[in-house]
Amino acid sequence: EAEVAQSPRYKITEKSQAVAFWCDPISGHATLYWYRQILGQGPELLVQFQDESVVDDSQLPKDRFSAERLKGVDSTLKIQPAELGDSAMYLCASSLEAGDINIQYFGAGTRLSVL
Amino acid sequence: GQNIDQPTEMTATEGAIVQINCTYQTSGFNGLFWYQQHAGEAPTFLSYNVLDGLEEKGRFSSFLSRSKGYSYLLLKELQMKDSASYLCAVLDSNYQLIWGAGTKLIIKP
Repeated sequence: EAEVAQSPRYKITEKSQAVAFWCDPISGHATLYWYRQILGQGPELLVQFQDESVVDDSQLPKDRFSAERLKGVDSTLKIQPAELGDSAMYLCASSLEAGDINIQYFGAGTRLSVL
Repeated sequence: GQNIDQPTEMTATEGAIVQINCTYQTSGFNGLFWYQQHAGEAPTFLSYNVLDGLEEKGRFSSFLSRSKGYSYLLLKELQMKDSASYLCAVLDSNYQLIWGAGTKLIIKP
C-alpha cells in the first residue's frame, strides 16, 4: 500500500539551530501539504504545494520557515533558527489534486523537540 | 471567523456505542471529513460526508446535517484499539480543510 514517507521521525535540537524535514508523497499525488500539530490541537496548515508551485503559505512564519518542492515530487521544510515554541509534530500529507473531495493521506510525522 | 467544535474528551466502555459530535461554522461548505489519530501517529481517513444523511462503513458511521452545521461519528461495538483522537474537518469554500481540535476517546474494559 502506497504511503507518504517522512524523515526523521524524531528530532531534538537546541534553539537557534537549523532543522530540516523531508517528505515523499504518494506517487502521482500532485498536491502536498505541510502541517504543524501541537499536542491536543488539530493540524494547522503551514504550506500547500500544487506540483512545484506554492498554492498557500499564508500561515508559514516566513522569517524562519521555508519550504520547497523543486521537482514537484518530494519536499523539504526548514526552520532556521528554531525556537522553543516550534516544538510540535510536523505532518506531511498528499492528495491527488487540490480541492474537491480529494482525501489527504498523512505521513507518520516528525516530532520536533527544541531545547 | 471559522470554527469547529468537538468535545475535548469522552470515555466509553468496550463493546458499547459512542457518538462524537462536531458542530461547525465555516465560510462555505464542500464536505466534512472524520479522521482517526492514535497517540503519536498520523491522522488516518475514516469518512467523508457532503450530503445530508448517514454514511455507514462497518462499525463506524458518520452523519451530516448541513442546515444545522452538525455532524456526528458513531462507533459501535467498541474495541480497545478504538482509543484514539477523532478529528472533524470541514472543506470550506476555498477547498481548504478547517480542522477541529479533536476528541480524545478513552475506552475502558
